Amino acid sequence: NAGVTQTPKFQVLKTGQSMTLQCAQDMNHNSMYWYRQDPGMGLRLIYYSASEGTTDKGEVPNGYNVSRLNKREFSLRLESAAPSQTSVYFCASSVQRNYGYTFGSGTRLTVV
Amino acid sequence: AQSVTQLDSQVPVFEEAPVELRCNYSSSVSVYLFWYVQYPNQGLQLLLKYLSGSTLVESINGFEAEFNKSQTSFHLRKPSVHISDTAEYFCAVSDRSGQNFVFGPGTRLSVLP
Repeated sequence: NAGVTQTPKFQVLKTGQSMTLQCAQDMNHNSMYWYRQDPGMGLRLIYYSASEGTTDKGEVPNGYNVSRLNKREFSLRLESAAPSQTSVYFCASSVQRNYGYTFGSGTRLTVV
Repeated sequence: AQSVTQLDSQVPVFEEAPVELRCNYSSSVSVYLFWYVQYPNQGLQLLLKYLSGSTLVESINGFEAEFNKSQTSFHLRKPSVHISDTAEYFCAVSDRSGQNFVFGPGTRLSVLP
């Protein structure tokens, strides 16, 4: 049972390039999330999807877009990467928003 | 909205010593409370949670946390730590609807030999 799978694990982008971070869960969870983790700032919610077909902005959505492709998959897109988006990105899922989350292992993104 | 304070950013402790990681929250409504652990270069893992019922909750690896409503706290404790407990620990709070789920800034626990 894989849980939450994120790809890629590492990525280096040049400023202005675009990329999509992929996330898939196999636990039949309704809700999925994208967080970024920066030193001294804990985890900050970028976007979430409470259920298939819905997405909502979190605390720091600027510069990002998301797609809830189906119940299993929730992707995060950076259209024009900036150095301020250098971070570790985590995808998570849960049965519903007030339950505990299951996290992926993260994507370490560096924008130069 | 909820907020979470973890008073200690770093806690060094010797192996086999007891440890307490402090977490306080602020909320005007009833809450659910969680502790997550993040080992180096890994994602967060749910350690334990309080949803309702007994205010003392335990994890499978010897940690426990007690919900104290009057002090709005959910401190994490372990009577004897191991080197393998070295990790970052995050407290989190959610309102009952889940619309406001907030993580604390984390406490880095370093267990020294």
